[in-house]
Amino acid sequence: DIQMTQSPSLLSASVGDRVTLSCKASQNIYKYLNWYQQKLGEAPKLLIYYTNSLQTGIPSRFSGSGSGTDYTLTISSLQPEDVATYFCQQYNSWPTFGAGTKLELK
Amino acid sequence: QVNLQESGPGIVKPSQPLSVTCSVTGYSITTSYYYWNWIRKFSGNKLEWMGYISYDSSIYYNPSLKSRISITRDTSKNQFFLQLNTVTTEDTAVYYCARHVSYDGYLFDYWGQGVMVTVSS
Repeated sequence: DIQMTQSPSLLSASVGDRVTLSCKASQNIYKYLNWYQQKLGEAPKLLIYYTNSLQTGIPSRFSGSGSGTDYTLTISSLQPEDVATYFCQQYNSWPTFGAGTKLELK
Repeated sequence: QVNLQESGPGIVKPSQPLSVTCSVTGYSITTSYYYWNWIRKFSGNKLEWMGYISYDSSIYYNPSLKSRISITRDTSKNQFFLQLNTVTTEDTAVYYCARHVSYDGYLFDYWGQGVMVTVSS
């Protein structure tokens, strides 16, 4: 199966900061990459699909990029409600997930 | 409004089967091209996709679980079910059900809140 590695595992940032989260696949996944946000006690929420497509209703401060094995989720201006754990997921083969990046406020 | 809700036993003894139900409201599980998945989250945040049952009852399992897993459905109740056999403490996790649509690939757009299942004697 395809292994997904996220970095960092914990990220502290201030309100208004530009934040970048990384996800690396163990092989080329041809942009078949989604990002989810999970807040404490809630179900995961789909943010970005196919690397850079914004899911309906998701604020435009979220964006995704990447290709091959390396992918990035960017929050252009961090808001307090963005505190959560973020997971990447590939679907070039049966789906596998990264272990998450926990984003907290500094 | 699509809503998925898991229900389960809470605690299961080792070597016993684990059974979890997903009740879907606001959307028929027989609607064309939609697939109904089980995903679990271990402590430490590792998520594992377990398998799905489709609108037309086709099934696909994660190869690592294939010998122990069964996913079925009851269309009259708009529910689908997970059974995992011969569990160990390593199967302790939060179990989620989630939906995806075939033509978009595995985009899980609706999830349940999850149910914690602990394997313990």
